Amino acid sequence: DAKTTQPTSMDCAEGRAANLPCNHSTISGNEYVYWYRQIHSQGPQYIIHGLKNNETNEMASLIITEDRKSSTLILPHATLRDTAVYYCIVMGSQGGSEKLVFGKGTKLTVNP
Amino acid sequence: ETGVTQTPRHLVMGMTNKKSLKCEQHLGHNAMYWYKQSAKKPLELMFVYSLEERVENNSVPSRFSPECPNSSHLFLHLHTLQPEDSALYLCASSQDRGFGANVLTFGAGSRLTVL
Repeated sequence: DAKTTQPTSMDCAEGRAANLPCNHSTISGNEYVYWYRQIHSQGPQYIIHGLKNNETNEMASLIITEDRKSSTLILPHATLRDTAVYYCIVMGSQGGSEKLVFGKGTKLTVNP
Repeated sequence: ETGVTQTPRHLVMGMTNKKSLKCEQHLGHNAMYWYKQSAKKPLELMFVYSLEERVENNSVPSRFSPECPNSSHLFLHLHTLQPEDSALYLCASSQDRGFGANVLTFGAGSRLTVL
């Protein structure tokens, strides 16, 4: 599975959009991009995933570049409760769920 | 109650004790997982169960013994642990083990301290 690169940390003002980037330049055609987040001392929480097209749900939007080598998770109106570590994970269609490998992620701090 | 429930949330044990962590899911999922998260380290997959059968064991020491009596319950039996086993132990479930929009739902975790 392709590896991902994320910034170690980011800050965002409350009420503003938080844009979290992820590079996955070695992604292959059948690999999906998943985003999870982990609020301090809790279990990770699924946010969104996509293959090619941009995706949106009640939590966030996922923008994947046309060449699929990078993506951005957008939290449109960040709140203090969005402070968490955000994980970008690339996983192929051949693997089982256990192939979801969590790296170090991006520590997002939402400031009042 | 919905989701994935883990008990106890906090556990302190000595190295000679025997204890168990419990996980229960109310989502009708067929696959369940144990992960370990040590301080400032990424999550490490320990065990995977699919339809109550263990399908993955990531070289976990035998002092950790999983048990999956049915598709809703998962246990992690602990005995003669070491202080370096102190960590957050996370249980997760998914609809099934295979891919296909297969999302993991995690519990809140059990914080284990080994003295």
